[in-house]
Amino acid sequence: AQSVTQPDIHITVSEGASLELRCNYSYGATPYLFWYVQSPGQGLQLLLKYFSGDTLVQGIKGFEAEFKRSQSSFNLRKPSVHWSDAAEYFCAAAGTASKLTFGTGTRLQVTL
Amino acid sequence: EAGVAQSPRYKIIEKRQSVAFWCNPISGHATLYWYQQILGQGPKLLIQFQNNGVVDDSQLPKDRFSAERLKGVDSTLKIQPAKLEDSAVYLCASSSTAKSTYNEQFFGPGTRLTVL
Repeated sequence: AQSVTQPDIHITVSEGASLELRCNYSYGATPYLFWYVQSPGQGLQLLLKYFSGDTLVQGIKGFEAEFKRSQSSFNLRKPSVHWSDAAEYFCAAAGTASKLTFGTGTRLQVTL
Repeated sequence: EAGVAQSPRYKIIEKRQSVAFWCNPISGHATLYWYQQILGQGPKLLIQFQNNGVVDDSQLPKDRFSAERLKGVDSTLKIQPAKLEDSAVYLCASSSTAKSTYNEQFFGPGTRLTVL
């Protein structure tokens, strides 16, 4: 069955520190991959997506993600976290039918 | 460009009552999705419409949930009767059907339902 796994439920980092959120997927073929962010009371906002080509993709708000086929991973990174980055982050995948499967999310807390 | 609109933003009901949520997608978007997001989980697709036709409703609990998209624009999701486990955020999303590799879904702010 198709699935997306985010092993970290909650992560706390200090402002200015680097960040890496993990995501692993299980699909029959390489799916389209996404990272979304959800702030309290808000809908989901797309940070970045990977379809093919360059395995390092740049997104909004200074985020980037690296696709590693051998590890079935699509980890999200940011070199320096800002307090406003505190939110819930969701990794998602879609096959050719465009149906999104989400992970369970990672809640990011930023300490000042 | 206006985003996806949803109402109400919050709803509290007693179990066995009925409730309805409304979604207005981005203008021109033919595809509309309803997701259920239970606390601590990622969103789960309930139903997908293409214009006013259902594309996928395999995860919709049809004994109590219903959805319609009359005229292929606005959509309503109804729960009747509600159960405690229906407490969740209900997200609506829409996407265009332009010919591309993947049509990005744009999400509304959601409706938070609490069933007591």
